Amino acid sequence: GAGVSQSPSNKVTEKGKDVELRCDPISGHTALYWYRQSLGQGLEFLIYFQGNSAPDKSGLPSDRFSAERTGGSVSTLTIQRTQQEDSAVYLCASSLGVGGKETQYFGPGTRLLVL
Amino acid sequence: GQQVMQIPQYQHVQEGEDFTTYCNSSTTLSNIQWYKQRPGGHPVFLIQLVKSGEVKKQKRLTFQFGEAKKNSSLHITATQTTDVGTYFCAGRGTASKLTFGTGTRLQVTL
Repeated sequence: GAGVSQSPSNKVTEKGKDVELRCDPISGHTALYWYRQSLGQGLEFLIYFQGNSAPDKSGLPSDRFSAERTGGSVSTLTIQRTQQEDSAVYLCASSLGVGGKETQYFGPGTRLLVL
Repeated sequence: GQQVMQIPQYQHVQEGEDFTTYCNSSTTLSNIQWYKQRPGGHPVFLIQLVKSGEVKKQKRLTFQFGEAKKNSSLHITATQTTDVGTYFCAGRGTASKLTFGTGTRLQVTL
């Protein structure tokens, strides 16, 4: 079956440009997470969507970062005025949601390089 | 907020040696999950523990959830080169979101 997909798989951009990263979760999954992972580092939580609840944005590093989830499905992470320190792999994960069915299924990630 | 720490950050073992990573939460957890991330890959779910003191085994891997539900461990017996990767625990406390640990990177050499 289809897993979590992310696009683009790789993105090279110039400092100061805006980028949009897309995540298509598994159909029916109500929970969606965005993480950032720098080379050799752990998972840095960015934002969490659960159903129709207000998203948990506590992990967003600055106001240059924002995310939307339209129709409870596809999510877009936008980084405005990119900086070199934004270079990382951005991972999206989805799960069925709370109630014990919380296994997170990760997408392959988007590798972002800001020159 | 909830913090989940793992030790060690990195371990290098020879094939055949055992390996253990420990996960400690600042708050009581309702459940804990373990994930493995191979080099260049994305995290993949291994197992979930829910009950206090629970122990689960998957072949050479043994997972434990502490009695107080604030810590967990993953033990690998007789490591193989295929075990190479970073192991993350992830726990859910009173907040709704899952919090990942800092990860332990395992290197196995012949």
